[in-house]
Amino acid sequence: DAGITQSPRHKVTETGTPVTLRCHQTENHRYMYWYRQDPGHGLRLIHYSYGVKDTDKGEVSDGYSVSRSKTEDFLLTLESATSSQTSVYFCAISEREKAGELFFGEGSRLTVL
Amino acid sequence: GESVGLHLPTLSVQEGDNSIINCAYSNSASDYFIWYKQESGKGPQFIIDIRSNMDKRQGQRVTVLLNKTVKHLSLQIAATQPGDSAVYFCAENPPKSGAGSYQLTFGKGTKLSVIP
Repeated sequence: DAGITQSPRHKVTETGTPVTLRCHQTENHRYMYWYRQDPGHGLRLIHYSYGVKDTDKGEVSDGYSVSRSKTEDFLLTLESATSSQTSVYFCAISEREKAGELFFGEGSRLTVL
Repeated sequence: GESVGLHLPTLSVQEGDNSIINCAYSNSASDYFIWYKQESGKGPQFIIDIRSNMDKRQGQRVTVLLNKTVKHLSLQIAATQPGDSAVYFCAENPPKSGAGSYQLTFGKGTKLSVIP
C-alpha cells in the first residue's frame, strides 16, 4: 500500500469553526490531491498540488484552501465550516507519468453540525 | 463504513460468473480512462487504465473495453469472487489548459454485490 496517512480520520465540528485536514505521504510523489465524496456525486476534486507551494483549484474549491510547504504534506483548510461541507475527504497522490493512477488515503469523515 | 453505496446502480452476480460494469463518459475529447474499485470504508484503488488509441486492454481477471463512437467504457471481471464486492468507478481525463497534472472526472459508481 502507498504510504498515505490522513488525519484526523473522523471529526465532528460546529458550523463556523475552522478545520484543517492533513495528508502525509512517504512516497515522494510530486502530485497531491484533495477530493470529497458524497452520495450521488462520486468523487469531486477540491484542490490539487503539482509541487511545493504550487497549487490550483479543482471543481469544488469554494470554501476551501490548501497549502503545501513540503513535498510530503498537503493541508486542506475549511476557514469557516458549513453543513454543506459534511463529507468524506480523500487525499490522493500520483507520479507524473502515470497520473491517472492515483493512490488514495483511507479518507477523513467530517461532520459539520 | 462510508455510505458511498447510497443511490448507486447495483449489479448482483453469482460467485464464479463474469461481471460487466458499464460506464458512459461525457467528453468525446477525453484521451485516458481509468477504473477504480472502492471497498467499504476504504479509499479507491486503481484497477486498470486504457488510452483512447486502444479499444481493449486486459489485466489479471479484468478487461476494459472502450467504444469511443458511443462514449462507452466497460469493465469485465472474470470468475467474480466475493472479494470483488465493492463500488466501481470509471474516470476520464478530459483535455484541459493551464499548468498542473491530470485532473480526472469520476463517474458516480456502480455497486457490485457477489452472491456466494
